Amino acid sequence: GNSVTQMEGPVTLSEEAFLTINCTYTATGYPSLFWYVQYPGEGLQLLLKATKADDKGSNKGFEATYRKETTSFHLEKGSVQVSDSAVYFCALPTGGGNKLTFGTGTQLKVEL
Amino acid sequence: EAGVAQSPRYKIIEKRQSVAFWCNPISGHATLYWYQQILGQGPKLLIQFQNNGVVDDSQLPKDRFSAERLKGVDSTLKIQPAKLEDSAVYLCASSLEGGQNTEAFFGQGTRLTVV
Repeated sequence: GNSVTQMEGPVTLSEEAFLTINCTYTATGYPSLFWYVQYPGEGLQLLLKATKADDKGSNKGFEATYRKETTSFHLEKGSVQVSDSAVYFCALPTGGGNKLTFGTGTQLKVEL
Repeated sequence: EAGVAQSPRYKIIEKRQSVAFWCNPISGHATLYWYQQILGQGPKLLIQFQNNGVVDDSQLPKDRFSAERLKGVDSTLKIQPAKLEDSAVYLCASSLEGGQNTEAFFGQGTRLTVV
């Protein structure tokens, strides 16, 4: 079945630093790819998505490009803020429809 | 627009007791999901409903877990009897329909601790 592997955390950065969270996937075909974010005490929220190869999803300064050559969907942000501190999950649909398989999550902590 | 509502937010029970969680999806959303998120792991799908019918319950431990979605709106997830390893956050999500590109909206979850 489809699966994702994402880098382990926690990741600790200073404010305004560059962020990369790696995500690679194994899938049948070319499913949509997602990044979800979970802020402290809140539910999961969709951060961005890409629906086909070479698509770039973007939102709130975050970007991720769907790369089929490397089966990757790395999350990047040029300048992180303290408010970006959260847990980030890479995900993809599995078994048809939009049932999601999630990675283990990467905790990001941004300090002043 | 109101989001996905879940209750309770927190629950502590002893092993072998029973517990139930409630979910009210976003109005008009036909598809409803229950996920289990164990500490340090990503959410794992337990069951998916389309309206009031089960689409996928292959990962639901049916000897102790049950779920229903009467009238195709609210849903309840029950555990009976609970085990220590059931300690987790139980997330409910809903989407307009079950297509691959349809966004799923998540509730805040119910944190269950089994002691």
